[in-house]
Amino acid sequence: GAVVSQHPSRVICKSGTSVKIECRSLDFQATTMFWYRQFPKKSLMLMATSNEGSKATYEQGVEKDKFLINHASLTLSTLTVTSAHPEDSSFYICSASRPDRGNTEAFFGQGTRLTVV
Amino acid sequence: KQEVTQIPAALSVPEGENLVLNCSFTDSAIYNLQWFRQDPGKGLTSLLLIQSSQREQTSGRLNASLDKSSGRSTLYIAASQPGDSATYLCAVRMDSSYKLIFGSGTRLLVRP
Repeated sequence: GAVVSQHPSRVICKSGTSVKIECRSLDFQATTMFWYRQFPKKSLMLMATSNEGSKATYEQGVEKDKFLINHASLTLSTLTVTSAHPEDSSFYICSASRPDRGNTEAFFGQGTRLTVV
Repeated sequence: KQEVTQIPAALSVPEGENLVLNCSFTDSAIYNLQWFRQDPGKGLTSLLLIQSSQREQTSGRLNASLDKSSGRSTLYIAASQPGDSATYLCAVRMDSSYKLIFGSGTRLLVRP
């Protein structure tokens, strides 16, 4: 199956700093990737759709300036949490579909546990 | 607006039991439905994908069914094992935008 890799798997940062999370498609090119956020014992909430070569599309209620998304290549999307605060602590997961296989199945990264202290 | 519900929220069974996890959705105009497994602190592993034109998919001890008209899907796990303990999430895709709408999951514990 397709492999989507996220890095780092865990990060602890101080309040007010910025953190960058990477999402890579390892064996396919992904024109579209998705960023989700998951609170403890809750389901995944879509934050934004990352489009290669263009601006990301954010879901209602997600701050664009807070969560910066850059999809600079067909295999890499990054999510930067700017000026992080403790309430940004969460589990962030990215996903991608394979355009060469009809984009039908979503593949997910391992997730990044962000803790802001 | 599509809403996806999973029942039960948590389930504990003894090893060897067959079990059924339920997923319901309010808008039947789905593109496909996918079942995932999530271990604590980990990402999602895709288990089964059912296209809107299909009624079921099988993989090993897992069988997923889809009834679009009633807005329901079930995930059947045969001969459960302690290693099956995880949270199971269902998600529907509405159209070609590839967005997934997730249920809240069922936390499964299979006791040895």
